[in-house]
Amino acid sequence: NAGVTQTPKFQVLKTGQSMTLQCAQDMNHEYMSWYRQDPGMGLRLIHYSVGAGITDQGEVPNGYNVSRSTTEDFPLRLLSAAPSQTSVYFCASSTEDGATGRLRIYEQYFGPGTRLTVT
Amino acid sequence: SQKIEQNSEALNIQEGKTATLTCNYTNYSPAYLQWYRQDPGRGPVFLLLIRENEKEKRKERLKVTFDTTLKQSLFHITASQPADSATYLCALFGYNTDKLIFGTGTRLQVFP
Repeated sequence: NAGVTQTPKFQVLKTGQSMTLQCAQDMNHEYMSWYRQDPGMGLRLIHYSVGAGITDQGEVPNGYNVSRSTTEDFPLRLLSAAPSQTSVYFCASSTEDGATGRLRIYEQYFGPGTRLTVT
Repeated sequence: SQKIEQNSEALNIQEGKTATLTCNYTNYSPAYLQWYRQDPGRGPVFLLLIRENEKEKRKERLKVTFDTTLKQSLFHITASQPADSATYLCALFGYNTDKLIFGTGTRLQVFP
């Protein structure tokens, strides 16, 4: 089990460039999410997905797009990078709560992160 | 607005003592609360989950309490060790939502 993998580990972009951060998991989790982490701000939810074909916005979705065509992959796209998007990005996938069956997020597994700098 | 607060100041304690970290929340009705550990340059690692109807949960040297009246969770590490030094994050998951929201984290430093 590789768990949650993210590529690339580091990336430098110029303002206005686009790129895709890749995220994949091999644990067959339905729930996946993207966070960004900035000093003093903690982890902030960008987008999440409760299953293939279903995505929704988190706390800070502006400037980011996601899609979920398979259970395994959940890429995050920056359409036109801005310096304000300089951050560390984490992808996560989650087990479900088997006890209740209602809750989608139980134990959340995080990837190693992508450190993005936009100049 | 919803807010999750953790002490932004680092907590420094001596090895062998009990570390206690606090997570307070407002305007929130969480179904459950989670605690994570994060080491520098790495992603958070899940530690414990406690449901709204549970008062206390334990795992080895870790203990979490959850007081929905006070809107507070306490995270305890007993017999702390230098290897426990890390940032600890709390996160809340509410009813009728699919979002797990995190606090800003508290850095714990355990000195020999």
